[in-house]
Amino acid sequence: KQEVTQIPAALSVPEGENLVLNCSFTDSAIYNLQWFRQDPGKGLTSLLLIQSSQREQTSGRLNASLDKSSGRSTLYIAASQPGDSATYLCATTSYNNNDMRFGAGTRLTVKP
Amino acid sequence: DGGITQSPKYLFRKEGQNVTLSCEQNLNHDAMYWYRQDPGQGLRLIYYSQIVNDFQKGDIAEGYSVSREKKESFPLTVTSAQKNPTAFYLCASSLGPQGNTEAFFGQGTRLTVV
Repeated sequence: KQEVTQIPAALSVPEGENLVLNCSFTDSAIYNLQWFRQDPGKGLTSLLLIQSSQREQTSGRLNASLDKSSGRSTLYIAASQPGDSATYLCATTSYNNNDMRFGAGTRLTVKP
Repeated sequence: DGGITQSPKYLFRKEGQNVTLSCEQNLNHDAMYWYRQDPGQGLRLIYYSQIVNDFQKGDIAEGYSVSREKKESFPLTVTSAQKNPTAFYLCASSLGPQGNTEAFFGQGTRLTVV
């Protein structure tokens, strides 16, 4: 069974800092890896999807990388803003049985 | 508007009752998923379906049941056999079944046992 781990569990930074969130997974037989944002009490919003054949994806101040061989992905947030405060989750979709599994998330706080 | 809709937003259940959570999508997606989220924790997979009339158990299927009679709908029933049902329930869909596409989520249903 795929195990997805996110480090750190929580992160607090001052506004303007660049930061990196980490995601690791045990089974590299994946179709894709997706990063989501969750605000308190809300559903998940998709941020970036990286297909298994890709190395990275970019959207605005966000950049996600994928290294399947080492079972790692990173989400880079440039010039962080207080509005970036949320929980960030990564998820993989397994090649073997198509299930989508999540890490526990990183709770990010950006202080003004 | 295209999207995925969960209802109700809040649900209260008495001990021993079954309740059904609705999940509807108009994205023409084949794959649909149900997750449970407990406070401060990640999402745990309850059931998922890759195609109409077919579904598979996830990690915590005990005490839950689903059906997939229509492509657009994937309702989740929380039965009285689920001993600790109070949680936030999230439904997702993706184009699937190959899974090589972006997943979208509903806004969730918060279930409370009273």
